Amino acid sequence: TQLLEQSPQFLSIQEGENLTVYCNSSSVFSSLQWYRQEPGEGPVLLVTVVTGGEVKKLKRLTFQFGDARKDSSLHITAAQPGDTGLYLCAGASDTGNQFYFGTGTSLTVIP
Amino acid sequence: DVKVTQSSRYLVKRTGEKVFLECVQDMDHENMFWYRQDPGLGLRLIYFSYDVKMKEKGDIPEGYSVSREKKERFSLILESASTNQTSMYLCASSLGGSLPYEQYFGPGTRLTVT
Repeated sequence: TQLLEQSPQFLSIQEGENLTVYCNSSSVFSSLQWYRQEPGEGPVLLVTVVTGGEVKKLKRLTFQFGDARKDSSLHITAAQPGDTGLYLCAGASDTGNQFYFGTGTSLTVIP
Repeated sequence: DVKVTQSSRYLVKRTGEKVFLECVQDMDHENMFWYRQDPGLGLRLIYFSYDVKMKEKGDIPEGYSVSREKKERFSLILESASTNQTSMYLCASSLGGSLPYEQYFGPGTRLTVT
């Protein structure tokens, strides 16, 4: 089992604030994905990063894959209530077809 | 529109009962997965299948079995349900191969074993 630890586990912020969620492991992953899950639904893919040091932007969300491909971060600028949800990182196995999910970060954005 | 459906949103079973959870995808995906989700533990892989009649154990297969007789359907079986199997169960599917394809998830089945 390849463990992915996310921090913080819970985050409650005011609308308009910035935040960063971290995903850390001692294992190297061939790629890493971030998902968001809303209550009563399954996770939905936000982004896939494949190259060490890669940075991807999705509107107000910025994703970074660590140089050593062991960690990743998700930064949200000017958070909105619609960003509320559970954020999950997932690292790919060597074969690429199996993912190990992180422990999750529950984000609440207060209007 | 891609779709993964699960047979039940909520299920209550008694200890010792045999439980079947069904998952169907309409995207002709090769890979299918069963996860359980518990607070603070994220998603943990129970079993996955990369082809019809093929299965691989995930991280926590004990107490579970699976069946994939048709490409679009992947079933999770709890032979004798126990209270520690109370959890949210999520099914997912993806394209096959070595690339990190997106996993499409169903809405989940919340199983309570009493």
